[in-house]
Amino acid sequence: NAGVTQTPKFQVLKTGQSMTLQCAQDMNHNSMYWYRQDPGMGLRLIYYSASEGTTDKGEVPNGYNVSRLNKREFSLRLESAAPSQTSVYFCASSEADRSSGNTIYFGEGSWLTVV
Amino acid sequence: QKEVEQDPGPLSVPEGAIVSLNCTYSNSAFQYFMWYRQYSRKGPELLMYTYSSGNKEDGRFTAQVDKSSKYISLFIRDSQPSDSATYLCAMSANRGSTLGRLYFGRGTQLTVWP
Repeated sequence: NAGVTQTPKFQVLKTGQSMTLQCAQDMNHNSMYWYRQDPGMGLRLIYYSASEGTTDKGEVPNGYNVSRLNKREFSLRLESAAPSQTSVYFCASSEADRSSGNTIYFGEGSWLTVV
Repeated sequence: QKEVEQDPGPLSVPEGAIVSLNCTYSNSAFQYFMWYRQYSRKGPELLMYTYSSGNKEDGRFTAQVDKSSKYISLFIRDSQPSDSATYLCAMSANRGSTLGRLYFGRGTQLTVWP
């Protein structure tokens, strides 16, 4: 029962390098999200995709781009990594409806260090 | 002011204690309230879910929502060392474009010592 799978789990980048975090969910959810989690800051929404073909900015989108490749996959790209992007990144998915609100299921996280 | 406020702790209690975790919020549109548990170096996992006001009980865990005060609580009875984790409250609205977006508290770090 995979749920939300994200790769890689750990990555070290040099300042200015680019990379893509991959995420896939097998729950047939419409909505997918990318969050970052920093000490003392909690979870902050970077981008989300309410449905296939749509993406929207969250609280902290600067320095990131996303692609909703299909219903299952939602990738996060850092075009030119900066030390301020050192964080733990979580991909998540949900099936929002009025009967259940919005229960979000998270992946295991990707630890990214930019040096 | 953040939409959801949560005391980050840390909170340290002995095994068997009753733990009370709380969040306050400012947006009266919030209708769905959740508590997530996050173990170290893991992703958050849903622990409890409540719609609108009232109480919900699941084993040793009780979630309370007081919409008039914009205040939610999670109680853990007979706490165990395995309950040691960070607890995050989260909430969302049911109307407009905010449906589907969760707003999180910063999380409270709990340690239950034997």
